[in-house]
Amino acid sequence: QKEVEQNSGPLSVPEGAIASLNCTYSDRGSQSFFWYRQYSGKSPELIMSIYSNGDKEDGRFTAQLNKASQYVSLLIRDSQPSDSATYLCAAKAGTALIFGKGTTLSVSS
Amino acid sequence: EAGVAQSPRYKIIEKRQSVAFWCNPISGHATLYWYQQILGQGPKLLIQFQNNGVVDDSQLPKDRFSAERLKGVDSTLKIQPAKLEDSAVYLCASSPPTSGRNEQFFGPGTRLTVL
Repeated sequence: QKEVEQNSGPLSVPEGAIASLNCTYSDRGSQSFFWYRQYSGKSPELIMSIYSNGDKEDGRFTAQLNKASQYVSLLIRDSQPSDSATYLCAAKAGTALIFGKGTTLSVSS
Repeated sequence: EAGVAQSPRYKIIEKRQSVAFWCNPISGHATLYWYQQILGQGPKLLIQFQNNGVVDDSQLPKDRFSAERLKGVDSTLKIQPAKLEDSAVYLCASSPPTSGRNEQFFGPGTRLTVL
């Protein structure tokens, strides 16, 4: 069974802090990884994709991938209350995406 | 560019009734997905279409769920008869044909409540 594991949280950080979200995956053949943000009552929104080992930065977001450890992370710098949401990690397995259950992030002002 | 469209947005039915959901993907997107998201869980793939052919329906409960994508554009997902455990949000997503890396874009979803 191919799985993606995330800590469900909630992860609470103060405004302006760095939020660190983590994810592990079971399928060593996975080559593509994604972070989606999902606000309560809304659908998932793609915020980052990463395909190679190392870091990928986009604005306040940095995705990190370590294929040897089967580990993906998302860092959010200068966290804002508007970042409060559930963050879903997904890995491509075959032709499908396998999603984790999501980590709920709460940013307090 | 218009996003993925879905309707209805909400549906409440009694168990054993039937229901259908509609999805229109982003223009030009060849791949279409239906997901089921139960509260507190991540989306789970039900079926994947490439144009109008089925790529993966291994997790579709075929005794009660069916889906079609006529002409390789719009798609419908049907449940007949519905069970209480089908209460969930049904999400449609699409990918462009050049996205071999499988970037998927989601519609707003249909929230189904089965009483």
